Amino acid sequence: GQQVMQIPQYQHVQEGEDFTTYCNSSTTLSNIQWYKQRPGGHPVFLIQLVKSGEVKKQKRLTFQFGEAKKNSSLHITATQTTDVGTYFCAGRGTNAGKSTFGDGTTLTVKP
Amino acid sequence: ETGVTQSPTHLIKTRGQQVTLRCSSQSGHNTVSWYQQALGQGPQFIFQYYREEENGRGNFPPRFSGLQFPNYSSELNVNALELDDSALYLCASSRDRRYNSPLHFGNGTRLTVT
Repeated sequence: GQQVMQIPQYQHVQEGEDFTTYCNSSTTLSNIQWYKQRPGGHPVFLIQLVKSGEVKKQKRLTFQFGEAKKNSSLHITATQTTDVGTYFCAGRGTNAGKSTFGDGTTLTVKP
Repeated sequence: ETGVTQSPTHLIKTRGQQVTLRCSSQSGHNTVSWYQQALGQGPQFIFQYYREEENGRGNFPPRFSGLQFPNYSSELNVNALELDDSALYLCASSRDRRYNSPLHFGNGTRLTVT
């Protein structure tokens, strides 16, 4: 079945440093979604990418979808303490059906 | 706009017992999905309900069952609880049943099976 892997599992940064998490799928995806889960909270939808090579920005967050539609990344510029949480990607295969979540990258930010 | 609400927030059950978890979808959303999230892992898809019928199921045994009501609220039932069922159970509603519709999650029910 479809597998979605995220690296790294954990990332500790100093406030102001950049952060990147990578999402890799074993199969070609029709779309990918990104979610953020704060400690003790629930996943919150951030964005969806659909097109090959697509790049979307939300303030300090930049999301990319790979040309082959098998990988994606989330980059945060100049992290802040409010960025703390676990970032999940969820990829949907081209054969339709449900999206598969990765196991997330947990970001901690030291003030 | 009312968000997704789940009850109860926490639950402790004994192995072999049965449990029912409840979810009210966000206003304007007609589709509800249930996920199991074990500690340190991503949400795992259990099933989705649309118009009171199951509309897709993940790799979970039949002792996991659900219902959706005319007001789009939903229940997750788990029979014959096992220790490995201990997890955070998340309900997510979406505007329609397409799998690329963004999911709006509730705060979850933390189930502990002893």
